[in-house]
Amino acid sequence: QKEVEQDPGPLSVPEGAIVSLNCTYSNSAFQYFMWYRQYSRKGPELLMYTYSSGNKEDGRFTAQVDKSSKYISLFIRDSQPSDSATYLCAMSGSSGYSTLTFGKGTMLLVSP
Amino acid sequence: ETGVTQSPTHLIKTRGQQVTLRCSSQSGHNTVSWYQQALGQGPQFIFQYYREEENGRGNFPPRFSGLQFPNYSSELNVNALELDDSALYLCASSSPEDRRAFFGQGTRLTVV
Repeated sequence: QKEVEQDPGPLSVPEGAIVSLNCTYSNSAFQYFMWYRQYSRKGPELLMYTYSSGNKEDGRFTAQVDKSSKYISLFIRDSQPSDSATYLCAMSGSSGYSTLTFGKGTMLLVSP
Repeated sequence: ETGVTQSPTHLIKTRGQQVTLRCSSQSGHNTVSWYQQALGQGPQFIFQYYREEENGRGNFPPRFSGLQFPNYSSELNVNALELDDSALYLCASSSPEDRRAFFGQGTRLTVV
C-alpha cells in the first residue's frame, strides 16, 4: 500500500461545476497537508497549506483535512477552463525539516 | 510565480554520461529539496540540504549526489545516467520556520 493514494483521473467537468478532489493516506505521523496545481509538466504551484484537521478557504478553493479518517479533500467552486491541470496532494510530518510525500496527482479537465 | 529558479529547463544526455542541474532558492529560505517526477507520477524525494549539509535522503542510489552553497543555491549531480533517469527534476525551497515548499519550474532531463 502506498503512503498516499490519489485517483489519477482524468476528471472531466463542465465550466461552473463544483469539483471535489481527494487523497487518502496511511501514515498517522503526517501533520501538514498541501495541495499543489501543476500545469503540463511545469513546476507544482502551492494552492493550499493546512495544519492538522479542519477546513481552510481561499477564494474558490476549500481544503479539508480529516485526520481521524486519514482523508483530505480540495473543493473548487465555479470551476473555470483555466483550472484544467493536475492537482497533487502532498503531506509532511511535524519536523521543520520534513520532506513532502506526494500522491500521483489527479488530472482535471474543465470544459467551456 | 515563486523565486525558485532552475537551470537548464531542458537537456538531452546519452546513457552513461553525467549531468549537473542547478537551483537558486527563494530569498530567506535555507533549505533545498530535490525531487524526481516521472511521467504520470507524483514527485519522489531525492534528498534535502540544510545549511550546506545533506539533511535527509530518499530511496535513490549514490550516483545521485548534491551540494548546497553558502548562498543556499544547490546542485544535483547524476553520474552514469540510465534511461530510467529521464524525468522532470524539481527543486523546492523552504525553511524550518516556514514549512511551505515552493518549487521551481523544473528541469526536464531526457536520457537516450
